[in-house]
Amino acid sequence: AIWMTQSPSLLSASTGDRVTISCRMSQGISSYLAWYQQKPGKAPELLIYAASTLQSGVPSRFSGSGSGTDFTLTISCLQSEDFATYYCQQYYSFPYSFGQGTKLEIK
Amino acid sequence: QLQLQESGPGLVKPSETLSLTCTVSGGSISSSSYYWGWIRQPPGKGLEWIGSIYYSGSTYYNPSLKSRVTISVDTSKNQFSLKLSSVTAADTAVYYCARGKVATEDEMYYFDYWGQGTLVTVSS
Repeated sequence: AIWMTQSPSLLSASTGDRVTISCRMSQGISSYLAWYQQKPGKAPELLIYAASTLQSGVPSRFSGSGSGTDFTLTISCLQSEDFATYYCQQYYSFPYSFGQGTKLEIK
Repeated sequence: QLQLQESGPGLVKPSETLSLTCTVSGGSISSSSYYWGWIRQPPGKGLEWIGSIYYSGSTYYNPSLKSRVTISVDTSKNQFSLKLSSVTAADTAVYYCARGKVATEDEMYYFDYWGQGTLVTVSS
């Protein structure tokens, strides 16, 4: 199984800030990584797949980078609707696994 | 617009079997480009992949649950189902069904559409 370390677990920021979330793998996964956003009481929503490809309809302030074992989700200019929990997910090998989540809260 | 909807009992007794169905609308479950999966989330915790199925019936399970999980598909009803046996309080969670979009030559996939989720509580 592939172990994932997502950090930080809690991130405090203000509207307009640029923030980054990290996801590190226990072994290389090429670019087979997705990022999801989850708001309270709602299902996760796909933001990015293939490490850096924006899902249709997702604002361009979201971007992803990385390959191999280290990946980053960046939100370039935080909007009020971006305060949520973010998860990474590897789909390189079974069992599929998710990071522990990063809760992005208003400072 | 594709929609997925989970249905099933919200309360299950310990040692019994949890059964959920996901109904897919706005698209065919028989498409060769997709897998269909179950993911769960205990209250206040993270996401755990349970398993997935292809329309042909091929299944893939998380080894941590494999001995208790069965996922099946009914293409005539555009539905797929989850059964989790011998449940305990640790199985209390919101259960999501989701569509896996094939992204690689060896048919690995990420989840691009999710149901709203259904809370299943295990309690006597």
